[in-house]
Amino acid sequence: GDSVTQMEGPVTLSEEAFLTINCTYTATGYPSLFWYVQYPGEGLQLLLKATKADDKGSNKGFEATYRKETTSFHLEKGSVQVSDSAVYFCALSPLYNQGGKLIFGQGTELSVKP
Amino acid sequence: GAVVSQHPSWVICKSGTSVKIECRSLDFQATTMFWYRQFPKQSLMLMATSNEGSKATYEQGVEKDKFLINHASLTLSTLTVTSAHPEDSSFYICSARDTRGSLHEQYFGPGTRLTVT
Repeated sequence: GDSVTQMEGPVTLSEEAFLTINCTYTATGYPSLFWYVQYPGEGLQLLLKATKADDKGSNKGFEATYRKETTSFHLEKGSVQVSDSAVYFCALSPLYNQGGKLIFGQGTELSVKP
Repeated sequence: GAVVSQHPSWVICKSGTSVKIECRSLDFQATTMFWYRQFPKQSLMLMATSNEGSKATYEQGVEKDKFLINHASLTLSTLTVTSAHPEDSSFYICSARDTRGSLHEQYFGPGTRLTVT
C-alpha cells in the first residue's frame, strides 16, 4: 500500500544553518504531497504542498520539489531560525482517494539552537 | 486559516469506562472529518473518516465497536472510546476538511491526550 518514509530525528541545527529533511514515498500514480508542521502544544499546520511532478511548494522560506523519478519530496530551508523548532511531517494524499485521506510519515523533530 | 478545536485536551479515565472526544470546526462547515491516533515519536495513523449524516469509514484493523464515531452536524464529530483499556492510551487528533474554494485543505485540532489507568 501507499506509504511515506522520513529521515529519523531529532535533527539539531544552529541558527542560520541549512536544513534538509528527507522524505520518500511509495504510491500508485501521482499522489499529492504535503509537508505539515507541528509546533509544541499546537495542531498540525499545512506548510506547503505539491500536486504534480516537478511542482515546487514553498512557504515561509521552506521549499520542497515533487520528484517523480526519485519518489521524493525533501524539505529544505536555507537559513533556519529558533522559531522553526517543531516536528515536521511529510504526507501524501493517494491519487485514488477523492475524500482527502492523508498518509503520514513518522515525523522529524527539528531543534534549532541560538 | 480555519480553526478546529478538540475537547478535552487531556483526559484520564479508569479501565472499563468510556470516554468521548469532541472535534469542532469553529468557522467553517465540514462534511468530512478525520480521526487519527498518534503514538509517542511515531506517525499519525488514520483511524476513520467521519462523514456528516452517514456512517464513518474505518481503516483496516480499527475496531468499529471500540471507537464509535458520530458526525451529527456539519461542525461536530465525536469519537467515543468504549470500554477503554490501558493500550488505548494515546494522543488522538482530528482534522476537518474545508471544501470552500478549490483547495479543500484539512485543518487539524490540537489533539486529545487519553490516559487509561
